[in-house]
Amino acid sequence: EPEVTQTPSHQVTQMGQEVILRCVPISNHLYFYWYRQILGQKVEFLVSFYNNEISEKSEIFDDQFSVERPDGSNFTLKIRSTKLEDSAMYFCASRRERHYEQYFGPGTRLTVT
Amino acid sequence: QKEVEQDPGPLSVPEGAIVSLNCTYSNSAFQYFMWYRQYSRKGPELLMYTYSSGNKEDGRFTAQVDKSSKYISLFIRDSQPSDSATYLCAMSARTGTYKYIFGTGTRLKVLA
Repeated sequence: EPEVTQTPSHQVTQMGQEVILRCVPISNHLYFYWYRQILGQKVEFLVSFYNNEISEKSEIFDDQFSVERPDGSNFTLKIRSTKLEDSAMYFCASRRERHYEQYFGPGTRLTVT
Repeated sequence: QKEVEQDPGPLSVPEGAIVSLNCTYSNSAFQYFMWYRQYSRKGPELLMYTYSSGNKEDGRFTAQVDKSSKYISLFIRDSQPSDSATYLCAMSARTGTYKYIFGTGTRLKVLA
């Protein structure tokens, strides 16, 4: 059964450094999302992406964040200058056209020190 | 008032029990309702999804939506220790990007 994959599973970085989190959505899916979950808190929407454009972003998704689909399979989230409060699990999700259910990847645990 | 409210638990039940998990919401625009299971430090795994009101059954799981009360439920029959996890409800409106709004999750422990 196809699934969303994410790399790396765990990333440790120093404050102020740039990180790129990678996702490979399910191959016939056209809508992509990033969510984050700070430890002990609920899953929060960051951004949605369709047709090579951001379709919606949350207040959390400020100028330090960017997303890209560099090729036909990868979907990336970049944080330009990480802060301590960016430490969280980051989940990628995808869905098919005309379907509303999203499938999530296993997540990348980002630790900013 | 939070958009989606969910009792965080923990909820402890004996093996074989029927489990009832619930969420309430305030936004009447929500039309799509999902239940995910999440094991510790893992990604949410889709269990059930329903559109608008009504019931949906899949094996031991039943999802119910009552839009008039803004209340959704997930029932687990014949619960097993392997069902021990955090259960997340999520919902989205019919328009826009279908972004999800999640509840905080209910931690369930099924005791052998």
